Amino acid sequence: AQSVSQHNHHVILSEAASLELGCNYSYGGTVNLFWYVQYPGQHLQLLLKYFSGDPLVKGIKGFEAEFIKSKFSFNLRKPSVQWSDTAEYFCAGRSGGYQKVTFGTGTKLQVIP
Amino acid sequence: DTGVSQNPRHKITKRGQNVTFRCDPISEHNRLYWYRQTLGQGPEFLTYFQNEAQLEKSRLLSDRFSAERPKGSFSTLEIQRTEQGDSAMYLCASSPPPSGGRGTDTQYFGPGTRLTVL
Repeated sequence: AQSVSQHNHHVILSEAASLELGCNYSYGGTVNLFWYVQYPGQHLQLLLKYFSGDPLVKGIKGFEAEFIKSKFSFNLRKPSVQWSDTAEYFCAGRSGGYQKVTFGTGTKLQVIP
Repeated sequence: DTGVSQNPRHKITKRGQNVTFRCDPISEHNRLYWYRQTLGQGPEFLTYFQNEAQLEKSRLLSDRFSAERPKGSFSTLEIQRTEQGDSAMYLCASSPPPSGGRGTDTQYFGPGTRLTVL
């Protein structure tokens, strides 16, 4: 079955630390991958997306993710986190050409000032 | 345009009652999606509309659930004979026609309707 898994459920970092959140997918064939963020009290917002082409995608607020096909991974990175990055992060994917998006269980990031 | 809107934002109901939620997508977005999110989980896909046609439907959408998008604009999600297990956040998303080829559209989410079934 198509699935997306996030291995870190809760991450605590100090400001200025580097961030990497893991995401693995199990789709075969063409895949579209996404990272969404949900700040406290707000709705889901798209951080970045991968459809094809350059496997290193850059998103908003200094986030980036790398699509590594051989590892079925799409990890989210940020070189230096800020307190305002405290949020829940969801990795999501779908088979190319289909509309059903499957989300991971989310990673809660807490950044300590 | 202020994004996807959903009403009501909160709904408390007693078990066995029917509830209906409304979603207004971003204008000119012809695709509309419903998801359900329970505590500690990511959103789970329920159904998808392209214009007024319901094209995909999850097995999660039991016979008690029905979604409509009669004029290809707003959509409603109705739950009949609610059960306590229906308590969740119901999310709506919309997307425009893909501009970069098949499957290149991105979904934009609304704030959700939180349902509590007592």
